[in-house]
Amino acid sequence: NAGVTQTPKFQVLKTGQSMTLQCAQDMNHEYMSWYRQDPGMGLRLIHYSVGAGITDQGEVPNGYNVSRSTTEDFPLRLLSAAPSQTSVYFCASQGFTEAFFGQGTRLTVV
Amino acid sequence: EDQVTQSPEALRLQEGESSSLNCSYTVSGLRGLFWYRQDPGKGPEFLFTLYSAGEEKEKERLKATLTKKESFLHITAPKPEDSATYLCAVRRGTSYGKLTFGQGTILTVHP
Repeated sequence: NAGVTQTPKFQVLKTGQSMTLQCAQDMNHEYMSWYRQDPGMGLRLIHYSVGAGITDQGEVPNGYNVSRSTTEDFPLRLLSAAPSQTSVYFCASQGFTEAFFGQGTRLTVV
Repeated sequence: EDQVTQSPEALRLQEGESSSLNCSYTVSGLRGLFWYRQDPGKGPEFLFTLYSAGEEKEKERLKATLTKKESFLHITAPKPEDSATYLCAVRRGTSYGKLTFGQGTILTVHP
C-alpha cells in the first residue's frame, strides 16, 4: 500500500530557480492538499484541491502554483524560488475520516 | 478564522509518568478534530478523529477526549517510544480539504 508518495525527498535550489514537487495518492481520494512546516509554526496550508480540475488557495499561497488534472496527482510548482520558501513540504490526501500524509520534501533555497 | 493552540510546547516525562496534552480550538462548524503523531524526518501519522463533545477514543496508551472548546490527549504510563511531536488539527464543515494545525507538543519520555 503506497498511500501518498512525494518526490523528491530533498532538494536544493538557487534563488530564482523553478521546480515542481510531485505528489501521488492511490486511495482515490477527492481531497488533496499541500502544507509547509516551519519550526515553531506548525503546518500551514498552501493550496488544496477538492477534485480533478478544482483547486483553491490556502493560508500561504504566494509563490506557489498547483493544478489537478487527475485524481491521483497533485503537483506543487515553485515559480521563482526564494530563501523564504526554505521549508519542509507535505502533501496530504484526505478521506472523510482522516488525512494521510506523505513523507515530506525538505527544500533549501540558497 | 480558525485557531488551534497546543500546550505545553514541550513536555518531558519519566517512563511510566502519565500526563495530558491540551489542544484549544475555535472553529465555525467543527467537522472533525484530528490528532497526529510526527517522528523526526517523517510525515504526520494519523492517531484519532473526534467529531462531537463528549467523544473519546483510545489506542494503546493514548486516549483522546473532546469538549466544545478543547481536546486532551492523555498518555498513560508512557514509554520512550512514545517520544514524538503530537499535532492537533481541526476541520470545518465547509472546507473538507483544509486542516488548521496547532504548533504541536514535543513529548520526550526518559527511561
